[in-house]
Amino acid sequence: TAGITQAPTSQILAAGRSMTLRCTQDMRHNAMYWYRQDLGLGLRLIHYSNTAGTTGKGEVPDGYSVSRANTDDFPLTLASAVPSQTSVYFCASSETGPYGYTFGSGTRLTVV
Amino acid sequence: GENVEQHPSTLSVQEGDSAVIKCTYSDSASNYFPWYKQELGKRPQLIIDIRSNVGEKKDQRIAVTLNKTAKHFSLHITETQPEDSAVYFCAASGYSTLTFGKGTMLLVSP
Repeated sequence: TAGITQAPTSQILAAGRSMTLRCTQDMRHNAMYWYRQDLGLGLRLIHYSNTAGTTGKGEVPDGYSVSRANTDDFPLTLASAVPSQTSVYFCASSETGPYGYTFGSGTRLTVV
Repeated sequence: GENVEQHPSTLSVQEGDSAVIKCTYSDSASNYFPWYKQELGKRPQLIIDIRSNVGEKKDQRIAVTLNKTAKHFSLHITETQPEDSAVYFCAASGYSTLTFGKGTMLLVSP
C-alpha cells in the first residue's frame, strides 16, 4: 500500500541523547515536511524540503536538523534532546507545494 | 510569516445540528486554504480545501467559505453525526508550506 511511514511509533529518550526520527514515502512526492504537535498549539512546522537535495527552516527549527539525500527519505535528527522536545512528530509529503498533504502516523517522543 | 487564528477551541453540538469553525489569516498573499480532520490518536486527514479564486466549495455535508477581503474562511458541517467528533485544523499557504491554526475540538452528542 502506497503511503508514508514513520518510525519509531513511540520513544522515551534521556535528555542529552541524540535520536533520528525516520520518514519514508513511496508516492514519489517532491515535497516533505516535519511538524510537531503539542496540545493547544496545533501543528508547527520544523523543517521542510521542496525537492531532493534542498531543505528549509520552518517556524520552530532550533534543536533539529534534516537531510534529503533522495526523494523517498526525510529523517529528522535531534542532536541533544531536551524535555521541551517532548511532542508528537508528524512527517508529511505532497506531490508539490502545500497541496494535499499526506501525513504519516506520527512518532510520540518523550524526553526525560 | 503567516499567522492563522482559529475559533472556537472547543465546540459541542447535538447530533443533527450544524457546526461552524472560523479562521483568520494574516498574509494577503496566501491563496490555498485546506481543512484537516484528526480523530483521537490518528493522523490529520484532508477533508476539503479551497483556493483564493473560489468563494465557496461544498462536499456533501461539509462546506468551506472564503472572504479574501476580510482574510477569513470558515468550515460548515451540517447534520452533524457522532463520527464527526474530532479535532479540526484550518491552514493557509501562499508558498510551499502550510501554517496551521491551533485546532477546534468538535464534540457531537447523540
